[in-house]
Amino acid sequence: EDQVTQSPEALRLQEGESSSLNCSYTVSGLRGLFWYRQDPGKGPEFLFTLYSAGEEKEKERLKATLTKKESFLHITAPKPEDSATYLCAVQAGNNRKLIWGLGTSLAVNP
Amino acid sequence: DTGVSQDPRHKITKRGQNVTFRCDPISEHNRLYWYRQTLGQGPEFLTYFQNEAQLEKSRLLSDRFSAERPKGSFSTLEIQRTEQGDSAMYLCASSSARERTRDRSFFGTDTQYFGPGTRLTVL
Repeated sequence: EDQVTQSPEALRLQEGESSSLNCSYTVSGLRGLFWYRQDPGKGPEFLFTLYSAGEEKEKERLKATLTKKESFLHITAPKPEDSATYLCAVQAGNNRKLIWGLGTSLAVNP
Repeated sequence: DTGVSQDPRHKITKRGQNVTFRCDPISEHNRLYWYRQTLGQGPEFLTYFQNEAQLEKSRLLSDRFSAERPKGSFSTLEIQRTEQGDSAMYLCASSSARERTRDRSFFGTDTQYFGPGTRLTVL
């Protein structure tokens, strides 16, 4: 069965303290892995799409990487405004539905 | 702003009433998705349109739920005889991807862009 698991469930960092979020997946025929950011009461905001193992993408303080079994979202020198829930999803085969993880809730203290 | 928009943003209703939500996708996108999300969970797929055709509907979706996209642009999601268990955030997303007409397999990856959501509370 296709599955996406995110860890940790929650993470609290001090401003400037770099860390990584993990997204492990088990799917047949990965077509793409997506990272989204979600603020309370709002819809998910698209961050990155990764297509194949070895691919990396960066945006400001965020960097996403992909292997054959997992993806990492690295946050460098986070700021309080980076506090949010980070969701990972995968698309596999010819299935248009996204398979979602439960997210990592990130809190960055000033 | 050319993002996905949803209306209303919040809806409070009494059990048994009907509600209807609207979604306006990004203008050039041919695909439109509806999801439901409850606290602490990822979005749960409800249904999906390619242009005006509803191509897939979740087995979790009861007959009380219906969605339309009559002209391949905006979409509506109606919930009849609402129940307290329907309380959730209803999310709409749109995307653009090319399909092979032969077997509807699609090129590339289908990056979905989400709207702000409609928060439904059923009392």
